[in-house]
Amino acid sequence: ETGVTQTPRHLVMGMTNKKSLKCEQHLGHNAMYWYKQSAKKPLELMFVYSLEERVENNSVPSRFSPECPNSSHLFLHLHTLQPEDSALYLCASSQDSSGMLNEQFFGPGTRLTVL
Amino acid sequence: EDQVTQSPEALRLQEGESSSLNCSYTVSGLRGLFWYRQDPGKGPEFLFTLYSAGEEKEKERLKATLTKKESFLHITAPKPEDSATYLCAVTDYGQNFVFGPGTRLSVLP
Repeated sequence: ETGVTQTPRHLVMGMTNKKSLKCEQHLGHNAMYWYKQSAKKPLELMFVYSLEERVENNSVPSRFSPECPNSSHLFLHLHTLQPEDSALYLCASSQDSSGMLNEQFFGPGTRLTVL
Repeated sequence: EDQVTQSPEALRLQEGESSSLNCSYTVSGLRGLFWYRQDPGKGPEFLFTLYSAGEEKEKERLKATLTKKESFLHITAPKPEDSATYLCAVTDYGQNFVFGPGTRLSVLP
């Protein structure tokens, strides 16, 4: 595997389900990010992790819970989501989080549908 | 609050027809402006970072420029493979990171 991988690529869940999105980077980077991309809206930064420490949380609802067990893996745990949470969830990594200046490498995303 | 707008929303060009995409921004202290390209079904791919007004960067048929209020992405003699959504983003000294809505470019053969 190379670059940034995300699983699953597609996910359909009910509002009462609990699921997790997984991201893995094979680039030796120290920072990882979660973004949300909704139809007709710009990409929104959700969470930033640097060296496994959360450094940014852009007022994301608590039904989204990130986890970064090591610098190569990032999870987004989902519970009691709403239909408006349906979107493409993108993971990215960079060398470090240095004031958000470094080039970010994105995964292909997980297309989430909440019924 | 940082804001980024992009125009046009969509652009159709004939192969070889040069044009420019605009990114206008309002930010409390620009630290960097970024251009990314996104193909359907894929994550964004980094193109350029610009740091200060007057700076220019080039890559193949693309050239990015920056002023104090906006950035342009100039596309010279585009090819069909340049078709994609082009995203602009800014970051400030508060480590905020904001993307614009993108310009969807179609280059027809």
